[in-house]
Amino acid sequence: QQQVKQSPQSLIVQKGGISIINCAYENTAFDYFPWYQQFPGKGPALLIAIRPDVSEKKEGRFTISFNKSAKQFSLHIMDSQPGDSATYFCAAADMDTGRRALTFGSGTRLQVQP
Amino acid sequence: EPEVTQTPSHQVTQMGQEVILRCVPISNHLYFYWYRQILGQKVEFLVSFYNNEISEKSEIFDDQFSVERPDGSNFTLKIRSTKLEDSAMYFCASSARGVPYTFGSGTRLTVV
Repeated sequence: QQQVKQSPQSLIVQKGGISIINCAYENTAFDYFPWYQQFPGKGPALLIAIRPDVSEKKEGRFTISFNKSAKQFSLHIMDSQPGDSATYFCAAADMDTGRRALTFGSGTRLQVQP
Repeated sequence: EPEVTQTPSHQVTQMGQEVILRCVPISNHLYFYWYRQILGQKVEFLVSFYNNEISEKSEIFDDQFSVERPDGSNFTLKIRSTKLEDSAMYFCASSARGVPYTFGSGTRLTVV
């Protein structure tokens, strides 16, 4: 029940295209959903995060869509650029009980072709 | 921008040896974490630390692991007797209020 399932495992997108990565969770206690970007040899860096009281959050070219009833959330990268090529992880945490451990998805390797 | 600093960046150790991984969290942060990432796999939670004690730990964090904040600035992860399967990237993270985290660049631990 703690799992966060992420798809696809890898994604190739043309420059300027839209990259879409999906995640699903089972634990209804999760109430914090961040997305992380990781470059090789580096730690995960927070891109954008959402709480379940909103269905969408946008920051620049990055948008999270959240569907509470379906227990799914997704990351959309608009106008994808070669510099966006990285591994993306979704994650979830249960903040209300004070547990702040993140449960990560398995990651999506994004390659944006010039 | 403030950073979480981890040392060393790469450590090679013999199986059965003790290792200490070091982290300097961001100075005004109160919550500290260790995560690990086996090569090519997802990031896994090990332990969280707040108010000078462990607040949460995962099944991975068994008796071979311990954490310490020895001097008010450093935050360490000790593995008492390393196994081959402990080979991974170990990430330290800190936060001011629980979330969001700032992760360090990691220590690659290789057990031979």
